This record gives sequence, structure tokens and C-alpha cells, in this order.
Amino acid sequence: GQNIDQPTEMTATEGAIVQINCTYQTSGFNGLFWYQQHAGEAPTFLSYNVLDGLEEKGRFSSFLSRSKGYSYLLLKELQMKDSASYLCAFNQAGTALIFGKGTTLSVSS
Amino acid sequence: DAGVIQSPRHEVTEMGQEVTLRCKPISGHDYLFWYRQTMMRGLELLIYFNNNVPIDDSGMPEDRFSAKMPNASFSTLKIQPSEPRDSAVYFCASSLTSGGTRETQYFGPGTRLLVL
Repeated sequence: GQNIDQPTEMTATEGAIVQINCTYQTSGFNGLFWYQQHAGEAPTFLSYNVLDGLEEKGRFSSFLSRSKGYSYLLLKELQMKDSASYLCAFNQAGTALIFGKGTTLSVSS
Repeated sequence: DAGVIQSPRHEVTEMGQEVTLRCKPISGHDYLFWYRQTMMRGLELLIYFNNNVPIDDSGMPEDRFSAKMPNASFSTLKIQPSEPRDSAVYFCASSLTSGGTRETQYFGPGTRLLVL
């Protein structure tokens, strides 16, 4: 079957580093995505991993271990505007993404 | 590019009424997806199309829901009759053909539906 799991909520302070974990179970894995969704808005693409390892993009990095069914999103130098929901999603043989329920990150000053 | 366009942005209706949500995908994208998002269930895939053909509708809750894509630039999601439990944000998304980051889906702004 298919399953994807991530923490419901996380809190952090400005300037800090936070890691949001995601575990998944599926067959026919074809890529792992992270999306950011601010309250009341649509999800927007953050990162994509299809090979094991770390992908860095500015303050955000995403890691994938296919053998462990595990990914994380690393946010550095947190800013207030990073307060949002972060959605982990995997892609199967087709192009339909299966999303987790999201992790709501609250950044305080 | 204008991005994915959805209408209406907000819809308030009474139980039993028909609701039609509309979507215009990004030009050139071959895939179109309909999602529903609630606090309890998160973002759920309802149905998706490839080149206007429905590929997987296993996420459609029941017969009250139907979706069509008469051409490459337009799709509708219809709920008839609507029920209070259908209240949610409905997102439309589109993507290019498969292959690496081209599988990235671009979401529309969503339609916030409230059924009283």
C-alpha cells in the first residue's frame, strides 16, 4: 500500500535551523517532492529528489534515502516568512503525487 | 504565463444544490489534477487527466462527484447534489509530461467551497 508520514506541527525561532522529516511507503517510487503552503494559499514547489543524497537550494535543502523510505527538508536561517505548512509528496509510476498531511511550522521571534 | 486559473475563488451554497468548479491549466501542460484539501484529511487527489483523458478517478468520493475535460484548456469538477461534508478547498493543478522536475505540479489558487 501507500503511506506517507510527517509530523503535524513544529516550532522554531528566527535564525535557527529546523529539519522536517518525512517517511513513506510505496511501490514504483519515482521521486520525492516538498511543497510549501502559506495559510490560505496554494502549495508551491520547493524541491525534488529522485536520487539519494542532499539537494541544496539557498536556505533550503532536501535529503532522500530511497532504501529507508526517508526524506527531510532542512531550513536554515529561519525567517518569520517561513511560517507555513510543508508538504511531503511522492510520485509513483504515473505523474499523480501522493501528499502527506503536511507539517505546520511556526517561526517566532 | 498566467498560471493555473480557477473559478470561482469562493462558493457558498446550500445542501442539495449543484456546484461546478472550473479550471484552466497552464498552456502546454498535458496533465491536469483535481485535489481536495481539508484539515482532517490533508490534500487528497480526486482525479487526474492526461491529454484530456481521465486516467485515475479512484479518489472521487462517490457518484455525486464528476469531472470532465472537454479540451486541453478547460476542466470542470461537478458536485450534485452537494452536502455539508463536501466543504473544503478544491485545487486544480497541471504539469508537463513526465521526466525529472518536469513532473512538478503547479497549483491554482483554489476554490473555497462551503456547503450549508
